[in-house]
Amino acid sequence: GDSVTQMEGPVTLSEEAFLTINCTYTATGYPSLFWYVQYPGEGLQLLLKATKADDKGSNKGFEATYRKETTSFHLEKGSVQVSDSAVYFCAANNAGNMLTFGGGTRLMVKP
Amino acid sequence: DVKVTQSSRYLVKRTGEKVFLECVQDMDHENMFWYRQDPGLGLRLIYFSYDVKMKEKGDIPEGYSVSREKKERFSLILESASTNQTSMYLCASHRGSSYNSPLHFGNGTRLTVT
Repeated sequence: GDSVTQMEGPVTLSEEAFLTINCTYTATGYPSLFWYVQYPGEGLQLLLKATKADDKGSNKGFEATYRKETTSFHLEKGSVQVSDSAVYFCAANNAGNMLTFGGGTRLMVKP
Repeated sequence: DVKVTQSSRYLVKRTGEKVFLECVQDMDHENMFWYRQDPGLGLRLIYFSYDVKMKEKGDIPEGYSVSREKKERFSLILESASTNQTSMYLCASHRGSSYNSPLHFGNGTRLTVT
């Protein structure tokens, strides 16, 4: 079946540092790919998505590029802020409207 | 804005009790989902529903059942709660017409079974 693997956390960074959270997937065909973010005490919300190879999703300074050749969708941000502290989930959506989530990566940004 | 509302933020129940977790969405979404979230395990799908009175098992349905009598409401039922069902439960909804449309989540219910 489909699976999504992302780097384990927590990831601890200082403010204004560069962020990368790795995500790779295995799937039949070409899924749509998503990053969701969960702020403390809240449910998940969509951060960005990409629906086909070489697409770049972006939002709030975060970016991720759909790399078919490496089956990856790594999340990046050039300069993180304390307010970016959250848990980040990578997900893949294949046929049938079913999302497969990665295990989540907790990001902690220190001032 | 889509709103998915879960009726309780925190619940404490005793082993063996019957537990109802309620979820309501206000955007006429066809699809609704129940997940549980546990540290290190991410989100695991319990049950989902494509339409009123329809339900499908997810990856971990054992010990749970669901009810969808109205389109906007999807209930998760623990027939006889056990301590290993202590978890964060997340409800989500999704417009069924496009598989690229995002899931919309509620804020979660943290259930503790003692």
